[in-house]
Amino acid sequence: EPEVTQTPSHQVTQMGQEVILRCVPISNHLYFYWYRQILGQKVEFLVSFYNNEISEKSEIFDDQFSVERPDGSNFTLKIRSTKLEDSAMYFCASSPGLRIEKLFFGSGTQLSVL
Amino acid sequence: GQSLEQPSEVTAVEGAIVQINCTYQTSGFYGLSWYQQHDGGAPTFLSYNALDGLEETGRFSSFLSRSDSYGYLLLQELQMKDSASYFCAGGAGKSTFGDGTTLTVKP
Repeated sequence: EPEVTQTPSHQVTQMGQEVILRCVPISNHLYFYWYRQILGQKVEFLVSFYNNEISEKSEIFDDQFSVERPDGSNFTLKIRSTKLEDSAMYFCASSPGLRIEKLFFGSGTQLSVL
Repeated sequence: GQSLEQPSEVTAVEGAIVQINCTYQTSGFYGLSWYQQHDGGAPTFLSYNALDGLEETGRFSSFLSRSDSYGYLLLQELQMKDSASYFCAGGAGKSTFGDGTTLTVKP
């Protein structure tokens, strides 16, 4: 069965450094998402992406965050200057369509900011 | 804004039936989804209701009433492996998640 893949599985960085989290969505899916989950808390929406542009973003997704689809397969989340509170599990997800509320999640990248 | 409310914890015994409720306030609502998440794992899709009524997928069923802004997930013949967090999610484009319900299945 096709799956969403994310790399790396763990990322440790120093506060103020830039990180790029990578995702390969399912190939025939059209909508891509980033979510994050702080340990023990709920899954929080960051951003959705369709047709090479951001379709929605949350208040968490400020100017420090950006997303890109640099080629036909990869989908990246960049955090320009990491803060301690950015430490979380970051999940990439994709879905075949906007009205099909079935998200396929990757296994996540655990980001630790020291 | 969008919000989905669900109970924080539910406990049941193996073989039993449990219902996890979700009430929501969202704009541009397309339907209600349910996800399961085991500790340390990614959310996995369980069920989706675009229309009012019951959807059945094996031991899991989900129900939606748009007029009441309410839905539930029904888990039957509970097994130990069903111990996990369960999230309802809905909205338009964002798929906002509820806070999650931790289900503990006891022998």
